[in-house]
Amino acid sequence: DIQMTQSPSSLSASVGDRVTIACQATQDINTFLNWFQQKPGQAPYLLIYDASSLETGVPSRFSGSASGTDFTLTISSLQPEDVATYYCQQYKRLPVTFGQGTRLEIK
Amino acid sequence: EVRLVESGGSLVQPGGSLRLSCAASGFTFGNYWMHWVRQAPGKGLVWVSRIDPDGSATTYGDAVMGRFAVSRDNAKDTLSLQMNSLRDEDTAVYYCARARGDGYSRNAFDIWGQGTMVTVSS
Repeated sequence: DIQMTQSPSSLSASVGDRVTIACQATQDINTFLNWFQQKPGQAPYLLIYDASSLETGVPSRFSGSASGTDFTLTISSLQPEDVATYYCQQYKRLPVTFGQGTRLEIK
Repeated sequence: EVRLVESGGSLVQPGGSLRLSCAASGFTFGNYWMHWVRQAPGKGLVWVSRIDPDGSATTYGDAVMGRFAVSRDNAKDTLSLQMNSLRDEDTAVYYCARARGDGYSRNAFDIWGQGTMVTVSS
């Protein structure tokens, strides 16, 4: 199975900060990677697909990038409504696998 | 509006069975690969199973293989998950999720339901 490792596991930042979350795959997944946002008690919500494509309706402060097996989700200016847990997901190969999640809080 | 709505979750004893449903609306259900994903309380997301658009091909995660069965009724826009021989570790919120397209995108989720809670306990 392809393992996905996210870092950090939790993060606290101030409103307006630039926030970066990393995700590393244990093997080549090209750019077959999604980023999801999950707020407490809610289903995951797609932010980024194909590693760097912004899903329709998602604010432009969210962006994704890729370099080899390393992937990054960036929030350019953190907003209070961004408090959530963020997950990466690889879809290169079954079983589909997710990172363990990064919990983002506001300072 | 594209929507997925799960139902059928409840409390069940170990060794018991349960059938979950996922009602789709707002899109042509029969054109899409569909998946089940679960999330144990306070834990991360784990893929459970997948079914192709016409229901002829199914795939399962190791933890549920031989116990769970996914099916679909394209005439009723409904996805189902039959869960047998349930164990404590199957306790989770179960989500149905739509895959965005074909090729590698058949495993790329874009739309999720709100989830239904399954609790396995005596």
